[in-house]
Amino acid sequence: DQQVKQNSPSLSVQEGRISILNCDYTNSMFDYFLWYKKYPAEGPTFLISISSIKDKNEDGRFTVFLNKSAKHLSLHIVPSQPGDSAVYFCAAREDQGAQKLVFGQGTRLTINP
Amino acid sequence: GAGVSQSPRYKVAKRGQDVALRCDPISGHVSLFWYQQALGQGPEFLTYFQNEAQLDKSGLPSDRFFAERPEGSVSTLKIQRTQQEDSAVYLCASSPKQDFYGYTFGSGTRLTVV
Repeated sequence: DQQVKQNSPSLSVQEGRISILNCDYTNSMFDYFLWYKKYPAEGPTFLISISSIKDKNEDGRFTVFLNKSAKHLSLHIVPSQPGDSAVYFCAAREDQGAQKLVFGQGTRLTINP
Repeated sequence: GAGVSQSPRYKVAKRGQDVALRCDPISGHVSLFWYQQALGQGPEFLTYFQNEAQLDKSGLPSDRFFAERPEGSVSTLKIQRTQQEDSAVYLCASSPKQDFYGYTFGSGTRLTVV
């Protein structure tokens, strides 16, 4: 039972263009969402997060959008840079008292020069 | 230390062998987590410690998996009688507060069972 789904295993984007990574979830109890970025042979690193009471959070080139009614979130990277090439994981927290995260399968983003 | 340190980085075990994976969290971090990441998948929760107390072990896949953090700092994940399906990257993460704050992950231990 995959509660957090990233349906695109890979995405290729031209340098300078916008990258949009998508994530769907099924559990309406999720109250906090995060995006992690992972380079090969390294652990995931935190990128950006959003609370379920918001619909948008922006940090520099990165913006996360949350659509609660559709149980969908997306990460926008603009402009995309070669260093953004990595695997991106969407993750969700079950409720305010929870500590564990539920992760999606990941999307491999490749930025082409 | 500056980050979460895991050792060994790579471990090859023969089926049936016991293994122990070590995690050194960031100094002073209260919370410590273990996740298992199979090839091509996202990390899956195994267990969580707050200081030395193991508050959630709901993700441990079988009684062959055991984790401890006896002094509230270093943690060890032990897998007894390893099976091929245990092959994965085991990620440790720590967090500075007992309230949720987001994690810092280590680089992981890649376990291959042959």
